Amino acid sequence: LAKTTQPISMDSYEGQEVNITCSHNNIATNDYITWYQQFPSQGPRFIIQGYKTKVTNEVASLFIPADRKSSTLSLPRVSLSDTAVYYCLVGDKNYQLIWGAGTKLIIKP
Amino acid sequence: EAQVTQNPRYLITVTGKKLTVTCSQNMNHEYMSWYRQDPGLGLRQIYYSMNVEVTDKGDVPEGYKVSRKEKRNFPLILESPSPNQTSLYFCASRMTGVETQYFGPGTRLLVL
Repeated sequence: LAKTTQPISMDSYEGQEVNITCSHNNIATNDYITWYQQFPSQGPRFIIQGYKTKVTNEVASLFIPADRKSSTLSLPRVSLSDTAVYYCLVGDKNYQLIWGAGTKLIIKP
Repeated sequence: EAQVTQNPRYLITVTGKKLTVTCSQNMNHEYMSWYRQDPGLGLRQIYYSMNVEVTDKGDVPEGYKVSRKEKRNFPLILESPSPNQTSLYFCASRMTGVETQYFGPGTRLLVL
């Protein structure tokens, strides 16, 4: 199972674009990259998933370079409600994933 | 509404008193799992089930039991709870072959 490394915490301000980078040097050919968001005392919520290049949905964008050894979650124009912990996970869709400590994102007014 | 439900949401108990936390999903998902989350840590998987009557250990199974008699239900059983099992527990489900997991609201357990 590929291990991921992401910053422990980040701060930003309302209205800014936030980019959270995740490193996964040992990603395997069949692995996908998935990001979850978790608010305090709630279960994680799926944000976005990708395999390569760029994926965009109504919430975020995910940028994956050609070597796939890292990925960047981009949150456009954040608000206070985006304050949460963000988890980057890497794995095959049929196998168990390892959850790290995530990135605690704090949005300030 | 598609959802995963857990009961109870909060529970205070004493060491050694057997308890069960229920988990139910209405999405016809084959795969279900239980996680625990402790302060400053990510989720650690306790047990998972690929389908009815098929269960397997996750990363931290000691002190826990599960059963999967029906597709929609996946109860977590603590036969003899101990204080080190004080934690926040999450149940999750997903379709086989799809990574997107749906999590329940969590059960906060305190073992005295």
